[in-house]
Amino acid sequence: NFMLTQPHSVSASPGKTVTISCTRSGGSIAGNYVQWYQQRPGSSPITVIFDDNQRPSGVPDRFSGSIDRSSNSASLTISGLKTEDEADYYCQSYDTNSHWVFGGGTKLTVL
Amino acid sequence: QVQLQESGPGLVRPSETLSLTCIVSGESIRHYHWSWIRQAPGKGLEWVAYIYPDGSTNHNPSLTSRVSISSDTPKNQLSLTLRSVTAADTAVYYCARGPRSSSALKWGQGALVSVSS
Repeated sequence: NFMLTQPHSVSASPGKTVTISCTRSGGSIAGNYVQWYQQRPGSSPITVIFDDNQRPSGVPDRFSGSIDRSSNSASLTISGLKTEDEADYYCQSYDTNSHWVFGGGTKLTVL
Repeated sequence: QVQLQESGPGLVRPSETLSLTCIVSGESIRHYHWSWIRQAPGKGLEWVAYIYPDGSTNHNPSLTSRVSISSDTPKNQLSLTLRSVTAADTAVYYCARGPRSSSALKWGQGALVSVSS
């Protein structure tokens, strides 16, 4: 099996761009799709990126996803930060048995 | 637009069985993959299980011996059963629909289940 490691927290100012990383230990990040979920305080998660870089309908194009084979990591980039983007963000992928693996989550503070 | 609504007992005694239902409206459950994910208070997300359109299932290895997931197509709802619960099973339980079995695209509001005597 493998782990997905995220920074515990990141912060940035409104209007700026922030990137949240998700590093896979064991196996290639490109081997299985990565998803990103946003969870605002007191709310259920919503999907902001699926299949590495696909945005569900209704998610602003300020959200983008990518993978980097050299660092074996996935990234979620949010541009033009808004206060409403303040939330916990989780990356998720799956192993060879199709068992889901979540990262520990990153708290984004927009200050 | 699809909506998912979880419901459950709220409180379950230790060693008993937890049963949750996810009622789906707006689309038929038979065309999609459905998952259960839980979140203990103040903790991160943990995958529990999913069910394929053909009814086959897959479970978190740490829960395999205790968990069952099923679907009821006529009622358009999903069910989750977790046996022999302990305080560690206290969590908000979410059902979710995926574009495939390996991910979630649409989430329900969640149902809080507390395990306590």
